[in-house]
Amino acid sequence: DTGVSQDPRHKITKRGQNVTFRCDPISEHNRLYWYRQTLGQGPEFLTYFQNEAQLEKSRLLSDRFSAERPKGSFSTLEIQRTEQGDSAMYLCASSLQINTEAFFGQGTRLTVV
Amino acid sequence: AQSVTQLDSHVSVSEGTPVLLRCNYSSSYSPSLFWYVQHPNKGLQLLLKYTSAATLVKGINGFEAEFKKSETSFHLTKPSAHMSDAAEYFCVSYQAGTALIFGKGTTLSVSS
Repeated sequence: DTGVSQDPRHKITKRGQNVTFRCDPISEHNRLYWYRQTLGQGPEFLTYFQNEAQLEKSRLLSDRFSAERPKGSFSTLEIQRTEQGDSAMYLCASSLQINTEAFFGQGTRLTVV
Repeated sequence: AQSVTQLDSHVSVSEGTPVLLRCNYSSSYSPSLFWYVQHPNKGLQLLLKYTSAATLVKGINGFEAEFKKSETSFHLTKPSAHMSDAAEYFCVSYQAGTALIFGKGTTLSVSS
């Protein structure tokens, strides 16, 4: 078990471009979370999945953001028409079941220029 | 709605002195509570967790936290700070049916 894996680790993109991030959770973890963290702030919740079902989305998740977990294993987070304000660290976490600790990946650092 | 308030944005201690990082939670029900640590350019690491068992919880690296329902608090302590403890610490609340809710974080500085 190698923990939660995120790819890529870093992404630089031009404003207006689309980007997609991937998260591979710990195997058999049925909960998967996406968070966004900006410099000097705590992680902000974006969305989470229970198996393949997306159960909750934050109001922070504008229409330009979409997340999927098609087979209940890995997940992707896509940002369309990126803006400079999207620059942040995007964190993925997984947990075995409700009420248990979540394990975080190293994150994908997005820079929009 | 649940929320977490970390009462200090920055705490400075000397090496060898006690550490106290304060956290208050707000929840309609008894939540699960966690402390995570984030070292510079590192991922979030779980320090300890409270899930309605013992109210005094011991974690890694000598840290512990006490759940006090009457005070809605979950403060993190360590008897003697080490230089390697310098990091960002997050108090996190987890209530069934929702996602993890993070506090804004407390930066711990340790001087020699």
